[in-house]
Amino acid sequence: RKEVEQDPGPFNVPEGATVAFNCTYSNSASQSFFWYRQDCRKEPKLLMSVYSSGNEDGRFTAQLNRASQYISLLIRDSKLSDSATYLCVVNRAGGSYIPTFGRGTSLIVHP
Amino acid sequence: EAQVTQNPRYLITVTGKKLTVTCSQNMNHEYMSWYRQDPGLGLRQIYYSMNVEVTDKGDVPEGYKVSRKEKRNFPLILESPSPNQTSLYFCASSSIQGSSYNEQFFGPGTRLTVL
Repeated sequence: RKEVEQDPGPFNVPEGATVAFNCTYSNSASQSFFWYRQDCRKEPKLLMSVYSSGNEDGRFTAQLNRASQYISLLIRDSKLSDSATYLCVVNRAGGSYIPTFGRGTSLIVHP
Repeated sequence: EAQVTQNPRYLITVTGKKLTVTCSQNMNHEYMSWYRQDPGLGLRQIYYSMNVEVTDKGDVPEGYKVSRKEKRNFPLILESPSPNQTSLYFCASSSIQGSSYNEQFFGPGTRLTVL
């Protein structure tokens, strides 16, 4: 099993739709979790951190399920500008500073 | 402006010709890292550094060298580039506070082609 797995997609949704991505991780001792956004051929940028209690930032909601070892990203009211690749990032075990990136999930929002 | 810079942004070279990709950050970050990104494989870590004179291998270090003589700079060296090192390379940095891992800031990327 890969350390961090994501469905590569693409997820093709209309404007205004709600879409959710999951990311599973294999190391139960992982402690830090993040979602990054990457536009085509550009550098990844932090979208949001994922906290144990879940967190929300505008239209974006991130949740962590430690029991099942996955994190999720929910995007409500999708905009054309949300089209991008979403990367799940998990640090390695026990406070390590070595992050592991998922391969990314591609989202295409169409009019 | 807080940023990570990489140079060159684009490079076409030939097999065996040594090259260096520079990376510099102005945020006084302790942690710096190099990644390569290939279609279908995602971001893979090449080398990382926790601080000056401290470097360690990532997942795909073969064929690469790094150095960290100054906190702000973390150059990536390809002593004898080969075509399988054709890729998009990103440098990144972050601060280290306690046991927390913080946001990584990425450079704009270097697209390398080895003929």
